[in-house]
Amino acid sequence: DAEITQSPRHKITETGRQVTLACHQTWNHNNMFWYRQDLGHGLRLIHYSYGVQDTNKGEVSDGYSVSRSNTEDLPLTLESAASSQTSVYFCASSESQGVNEKLFFGSGTQLSVL
Amino acid sequence: AQKITQTQPGMFVQEKEAVTLDCTYDTSDQSYGLFWYKQPSSGEMIFLIYQGSYDEQNATEGRYSLNFQKARKSANLVISASQLGDSAMYFCAMRGSSGSARQLTFGSGTQLTVLP
Repeated sequence: DAEITQSPRHKITETGRQVTLACHQTWNHNNMFWYRQDLGHGLRLIHYSYGVQDTNKGEVSDGYSVSRSNTEDLPLTLESAASSQTSVYFCASSESQGVNEKLFFGSGTQLSVL
Repeated sequence: AQKITQTQPGMFVQEKEAVTLDCTYDTSDQSYGLFWYKQPSSGEMIFLIYQGSYDEQNATEGRYSLNFQKARKSANLVISASQLGDSAMYFCAMRGSSGSARQLTFGSGTQLTVLP
């Protein structure tokens, strides 16, 4: 069965370190997204990609970057981790950009920045 | 910019009773989609139901129905005959059809607890 996997599931790091969260999907979807979930804010969009070599900033992109070198993967990099980036991170994908297109989510990565 | 508002941070319901989770939205797009996701304590995001802005009938999926009132810009989720397994966080979300509104925007969520 097709799926979307995130790794690691849990990560503890120190402020100032570079951290990369992995996202891999086997749906062959062109569209991939990164969200962060914080209490009281729901899920907020960090970055997204509509295809290989395409990346776009979302609502809360400061301090994050992504790259898309193939269809399956969209790694999220925190260039210099800050305590404010402690959060749960979700990767998602969708087949198209239609208004009816639902997102398929990974299981999430709990990141703690100490 | 589009916005989703969920005004109920927490809700309680007795097992086997129905419950309504509120969701209002704001958008300038004429074509848009509304979604509800469930997040149990295990953390995964589970798609529940979808309603299109041009759909004349309210969407239903088993015990879930979406009470869509376009003029009031509301898209409430109704869960009938609540079960203990319905205890979870519920998110309302929408996707518009133009510019940045094409990305899925989420509300802040409602934590539902089903009491035995």
